Amino acid sequence: QLLESGGGLVQPGGSLRLSCAASGFTFSSYTMSWVRQAPGKGLEWVSAISGSGGSAYYADSVKGRFTFSRDNSKNTVYLQMNSLRAEDTAVYYCAKDMWERTFSGAFDIWGQGTMVTVSS
Amino acid sequence: EIVLTQSPATLSLSPGERATLSCRASQSVSSYLVWYQQKPGQAPRLLIYDASNRATGIPARFSGSGSGTDFTLTISSLEPEDFAVYYCQQRSNWPPWTFGQGTKVEIK
Repeated sequence: QLLESGGGLVQPGGSLRLSCAASGFTFSSYTMSWVRQAPGKGLEWVSAISGSGGSAYYADSVKGRFTFSRDNSKNTVYLQMNSLRAEDTAVYYCAKDMWERTFSGAFDIWGQGTMVTVSS
Repeated sequence: EIVLTQSPATLSLSPGERATLSCRASQSVSSYLVWYQQKPGQAPRLLIYDASNRATGIPARFSGSGSGTDFTLTISSLEPEDFAVYYCQQRSNWPPWTFGQGTKVEIK
């Protein structure tokens, strides 16, 4: 199970930190991702992080502004979002990779999502 | 970046009918194609991975086929709970992993 939190309303240029708490699996063995969905739109992969937290990858649209991290002692991942723009407005889902110890890009468990609204 | 194009955008069918959804990739993704189902207000749900493998708990009426650039998701006989939006996603070339724009299966 995955449970996101931290969404809300933020002004353009502002910052927000999302959290995703995991349970029911060996957390540190799995790559995790964030996927977002703008209102009425499709899905967009945002970022992925290795099980150890040593490697992270980003979509070009967020590179340099977002930072993905994890605390395996707390079974939690975080997405630090800085310099937010209106186009970052979306539901943000955290998602678990299907296979251990690999960046597979197939997501078998998703959280319920947390809404981020960037507006003045 | 690999672009996935899904067709049709909307499919209007009745319960019991067969649904055929298409996903075309801008370049070969081999068999690394995934299908998800999303219902309103819910997170996506993994249906099919690697083109033709059903995920755990997915009913046998869902099947996937294809390789290279052309893929198909088939629902053999639509149940009321199958009316939803379906997304394909490639996991071949990354970053980024990319999704199609979705096909909505609606009740006729």
